[in-house]
Amino acid sequence: GAVVSQHPSRVICKSGTSVKIECRSLDFQATTMFWYRQFPKQSLMLMATSNEGSKATYEQGVEKDKFLINHASLTLSTLTVTSAHPEDSSFYICSAREQVTGGWNTIYFGEGSWLTVV
Amino acid sequence: AQKVTQAQTEISVVEKEDVTLDCVYETRDTTYYLFWYKQPPSGELVFLIRRNSFDEQNEISGRYSWNFQKSTSSFNFTITASQVVDSAVYFCALSGGRYGGSQGNLIFGKGTKLSVKP
Repeated sequence: GAVVSQHPSRVICKSGTSVKIECRSLDFQATTMFWYRQFPKQSLMLMATSNEGSKATYEQGVEKDKFLINHASLTLSTLTVTSAHPEDSSFYICSAREQVTGGWNTIYFGEGSWLTVV
Repeated sequence: AQKVTQAQTEISVVEKEDVTLDCVYETRDTTYYLFWYKQPPSGELVFLIRRNSFDEQNEISGRYSWNFQKSTSSFNFTITASQVVDSAVYFCALSGGRYGGSQGNLIFGKGTKLSVKP
């Protein structure tokens, strides 16, 4: 079963409103989570790295005030798209890093969230 | 700079044919990880393989095999006797940079859409 869960899987919102997407690690604690964005028929682009208890690190070109990331606990990171516009319509997918001592920190991806702004 | 190139945008084959998906990467890091993911139409990412830069052994898993050639910076993926269920977009990804790639933030290629026709 999924070890990283995203909710909602699909959301339609009106232009100008805000929408929150949750990313939860189910079986492990994730001090670090990542948010990616994928436009139709395009690749996944890293938006930001979400660190538990501290501010997210945003990739160049990603608006911090538009894409608010909160990582308040070791199992939950949220992405809030503020004042959404149709061009924000996209597939948003998160991943969570499971810390492993002395080895690769396994990355698990969520199922993704389809956002449509109308 | 790090980069992943998947030159094949779309490939169409007939069932039972073998197909190879190409992946070429660029990185200045000496330690890094390479990945392949499958993305069916539903959108979720399905992990296929992770390979670290020190392990150049080819790997076979059922009908899947991977050829890692460090000398040519390539990490190609072959599906033998393709099936209709293999139809999906396949992404090659690279994780490098700080901490030798174990941070978990991935750089994805643009993906190759594979269509397997009956």
